[in-house]
Amino acid sequence: SQQGEEDPQALSIQEGENATMNCSYKTSINNLQWYRQNSGRGLVHLILIRSNEREKHSGRLRVTLDTSKKSSSLLITASRAADTASYFCATDTGANSKLTFGKGITLSVRP
Amino acid sequence: DAGITQSPRHKVTETGTPVTLRCHQTENHRYMYWYRQDPGHGLRLIHYSYGVKDTDKGEVSDGYSVSRSKTEDFLLTLESATSSQTSVYFCAISDPDRGRDQPQHFGDGTRLSIL
Repeated sequence: SQQGEEDPQALSIQEGENATMNCSYKTSINNLQWYRQNSGRGLVHLILIRSNEREKHSGRLRVTLDTSKKSSSLLITASRAADTASYFCATDTGANSKLTFGKGITLSVRP
Repeated sequence: DAGITQSPRHKVTETGTPVTLRCHQTENHRYMYWYRQDPGHGLRLIHYSYGVKDTDKGEVSDGYSVSRSKTEDFLLTLESATSSQTSVYFCAISDPDRGRDQPQHFGDGTRLSIL
């Protein structure tokens, strides 16, 4: 069963705009991770936030985590056409480093 | 990119035939995982390995078996392929021994079609 559920399922924005993607999950976690997948390729790890952290930044990425609401958001600032991809959240509950992935969000950035 | 090679990259086969997919890594990571990706389902864990000869089932393990005889290689076998196993299969690796909260690194996938 899916632990993470992303929202929205698809997002289309203009280059230069910010993109916000949300993820909700059901059980307690050790950390939550975001991955990107370009068409025809494998997933690439973007950023990890631990359960005791509330916000984390990496370049143009900002992730927040609210464990009381069991939700996370990924913000991509000043988006570029190259950001066009599918984005997945994944939760680590600490059992053998297994991840449970959401169904993904398709982001399209129009030039 | 992490040194992960999946082979073959594409395969078409018939129902009832055995199929083996290979994942090879050059990173010496202890953990290896097999996922399948289907529209509307995201990625689902099939089997994983936490060391040589140490494997365990994931969420969707029925119809699949795995083997890990050495650190570098993790094989996924469909003993008798069915059309429902048509999917894109991804291998991933991680190494929690390097510290807590390690990410997974993925190969580029094998597209398997079963007719």
